[in-house]
Amino acid sequence: QVQLQESGPGLVKPSGTLSLTCAVSGGSISSNNWWSWVRQPPGKGLEWIGEIFHTGSTSYNPSLESRVTMSLDKSKNQFSLKMTSVTAADTAVYYCARDRCSTTSCRFFASWGLGTLVTVSS
Amino acid sequence: DIQMTQSPSSLSASVGDRVTITCRASQNIRNYLAWYQQKPGKVPKLLISAASTLEFGVPSRFSGSGSGTDFTLTISSLQPEDFATYYCQKYNSVPFFGGGTTVEIK
Repeated sequence: QVQLQESGPGLVKPSGTLSLTCAVSGGSISSNNWWSWVRQPPGKGLEWIGEIFHTGSTSYNPSLESRVTMSLDKSKNQFSLKMTSVTAADTAVYYCARDRCSTTSCRFFASWGLGTLVTVSS
Repeated sequence: DIQMTQSPSSLSASVGDRVTITCRASQNIRNYLAWYQQKPGKVPKLLISAASTLEFGVPSRFSGSGSGTDFTLTISSLQPEDFATYYCQKYNSVPFFGGGTTVEIK
């Protein structure tokens, strides 16, 4: 069973860049699955950030697209998120997740990492 | 953008009660709708996809229905482990989650 584990700084300064990595175990990042990031501000709902396929193809939430870049490292079986120009509004638990479907992107998620809290503060 | 509106935002119920949560899309999303359960401090758990298809291992007291713009999640007989927050999510085009419905103990 695939497992996902997020890692990265828990504190980022305003106007800085948030960088997170999701390590995949129990499965290959080169499998026919899309890999996503989803975030959840404290006490609030969920927001999809974007997705990446092993070919490097990406798709982002239009509301965040100008600030987000996703990439992957096949040698380490992991994928990453970078978000620039962060503000307090970007404070959230960030989850990585695997798309429920294979090959096609269904964009709903059965496998999630445990999440990592990123706080934007000076 | 298609918005997803859940109602109620919270409800109080007792063990054994039948509970219904509603999710309304601002445009037709056919049956591209999923439901999740999230307990405090935990990861969302996928319950239902395609509006009514139960994930493997999800108890049969959970059911989903609807298509187009109006959807429901029903718990036929609420159990102690069902007290949680439930989210709907549309997944045609850009995924978007509803605001959540918290089911609390009465």
